[in-house]
Amino acid sequence: GAGVSQSPRYKVTKRGQDVALRCDPISGHVSLYWYRQALGQGPEFLTYFNYEAQQDKSGLPNDRFSAERPEGSISTLTIQRTEQRDSAMYRCASSAAWRGGSTGELFFGEGSRLTVL
Amino acid sequence: LAKTTQPISMDSYEGQEVNITCSHNNIATNDYITWYQQFPSQGPRFIIQGYKTKVTNEVASLFIPADRKSSTLSLPRVSLSDTAVYYCLVGQRPGGSYIPTFGRGTSLIVHP
Repeated sequence: GAGVSQSPRYKVTKRGQDVALRCDPISGHVSLYWYRQALGQGPEFLTYFNYEAQQDKSGLPNDRFSAERPEGSISTLTIQRTEQRDSAMYRCASSAAWRGGSTGELFFGEGSRLTVL
Repeated sequence: LAKTTQPISMDSYEGQEVNITCSHNNIATNDYITWYQQFPSQGPRFIIQGYKTKVTNEVASLFIPADRKSSTLSLPRVSLSDTAVYYCLVGQRPGGSYIPTFGRGTSLIVHP
């Protein structure tokens, strides 16, 4: 697609339910990142992939959070047994490649706003 | 790991030049410096990236001194539409991976 697409844009769920957030990166982009952003804060790194391999998941808050990118394109961030503190904007970004110390330009989607009641 | 420090907020007026400085004392040899802009309700958008000296594009200039321990984003003749949060990023590589890490950024407000 022309840009990074995320769905759903808005998700309201009840505490204890599982949610799945989807990210469709720019076609051909190697790297895919997941971030979480609270109001008034910068994006907080969660995890990232190069192709289908999860390179780093050190930012995932706990084992209720998981992510996959099985075919090296679309990625899903899953939150199990949601809690109110999980409410935030979840952002996905992709980049074409990385060279040397550069991460390459990140292209962000519009985000998925999660509200846990 | 390189940590960045930038002012929390800045105010300016239309038509002025705005300079936002970011400190990154522990920048690694291979790290690039990247700046992003974020409008409310949107994802961050790449502005400019550099390694040393000066980089200029149609939007901004980036000045990096020889020691690379800081960088300055320069926005010429700002307008109201430049009101946004600006983030300075330096490549962080725990275990060899590259993780773009955002701080709180600098909230720039441009007044009429």
